[in-house]
Amino acid sequence: SAVISQKPSRDICQRGTSLTIQCQVDSQVTMMFWYRQQPGQSLTLIATANQGSEATYESGFVIDKFPISRPNLTFSTLTVSNMSPEDSSIYLCSVVAGGRTDTQYFGPGTRLTVL
Amino acid sequence: DAKTTQPNSMESNEEEPVHLPCNHSTISGTDYIHWYRQLPSQGPEYVIHGLTSNVNNRMASLAIAEDRKSSTLILHRATLRDAAVYYCILSARGYGGSQGNLIFGKGTKLSVKP
Repeated sequence: SAVISQKPSRDICQRGTSLTIQCQVDSQVTMMFWYRQQPGQSLTLIATANQGSEATYESGFVIDKFPISRPNLTFSTLTVSNMSPEDSSIYLCSVVAGGRTDTQYFGPGTRLTVL
Repeated sequence: DAKTTQPNSMESNEEEPVHLPCNHSTISGTDYIHWYRQLPSQGPEYVIHGLTSNVNNRMASLAIAEDRKSSTLILHRATLRDAAVYYCILSARGYGGSQGNLIFGKGTKLSVKP
């Protein structure tokens, strides 16, 4: 299994500012994903962040708005840039880990509120 | 990605079995069937997955129809802790898709009454 922590757990931000969310894994993993969960909705994949390559973004998400870093096999950051109230969501990271490529482990999420 | 259809919500009594259905009529031969659940205020957690045969683990059982167009997640004895949103997800490979990602639908919200 993999244990994932995220920082911050929650934040309240002003419109127009940026927030960087950190995702730390207790083991080395190749595949890491960032999801968004808007209030009352299901999860939507933002991007895939594999170490050693550029992040791959899903339709509707762009690097300028959600830049991602993946400096090593245990850590990644997602920045939500130039925030608006529509960015208020829970942001979650997940990994495929533990040698079992059939299981994905999720972090607890970062609850972001933009005023 | 192939789509799944699940009931929006279901109710169960504590300590009774729960059968959560999922329809996936457009499933392809290489699609795995995954189930994840999301407890309140937590990230999703893996429950079970399968390809063709029924599967059992310590959390649940997965019954897959012979034509693979539907499946059922079985919780043998529901507890209050099992109240969650249950997601049925298809992926092209065992680890969750052609690129490893999971495509979440709306899921079934399971309520468990004491």
